Amino acid sequence: AQTVTQSQPEMSVQEAETVTLSCTYDTSESDYYLFWYKQPPSRQMILVIRQEAYKQQNATENRFSVNFQKAAKSFSLKISDSQLGDAAMYFCAPGSIGGSQGNLIFGKGTKLSVKP
Amino acid sequence: EPEVTQTPSHQVTQMGQEVILRCVPISNHLYFYWYRQILGQKVEFLVSFYNNEISEKSEIFDDQFSVERPDGSNFTLKIRSTKLEDSAMYFCASSEAVFGNEKLFFGSGTQLSVL
Repeated sequence: AQTVTQSQPEMSVQEAETVTLSCTYDTSESDYYLFWYKQPPSRQMILVIRQEAYKQQNATENRFSVNFQKAAKSFSLKISDSQLGDAAMYFCAPGSIGGSQGNLIFGKGTKLSVKP
Repeated sequence: EPEVTQTPSHQVTQMGQEVILRCVPISNHLYFYWYRQILGQKVEFLVSFYNNEISEKSEIFDDQFSVERPDGSNFTLKIRSTKLEDSAMYFCASSEAVFGNEKLFFGSGTQLSVL
């Protein structure tokens, strides 16, 4: 069974600065994906970034990038040039390829505050 | 960008009553899901649905829950006899499920309050 740990319940960053949210996971799968989802106060779940575990290159999406350490089962999210609109809950979630399609196991989340 | 649509946004019901939460997935998607989030807690998987049958379900998804795709566009979650602990935000999601692409698109959620 997969488990996900987000060790930072809350984080704060100054506008325009960089912040890193941590995530570790445990899985028995050999091929899988990893996702970061953002949940603003509206509570809609928005995909931020996705990483394929078989790719060594870290995924990047504009100001968002990941540091994926497969051996350590670590998947951190870096937000550069933080903006006020980045304030939200951030959830890390691994997902398998073959078996449980769509059965994402979410972490408990990290609440990110952005200070002007 | 295409969206997953959920109705209603808020639903209040009495304990023991049946509720149906409705979702319209993105039109070319083939896999459909329900997740729930109890206030202040993490998002939890309930069920996945493909080709008119359940693909996978969690322990939460017991006999009081059912899902249906009654026509070509809607995907519903029914809770037969609601309990207080069913109060949560329920999210519908869909995906193309093309191999190697498990990007889930979530709806805005239905907040269910059981009194």
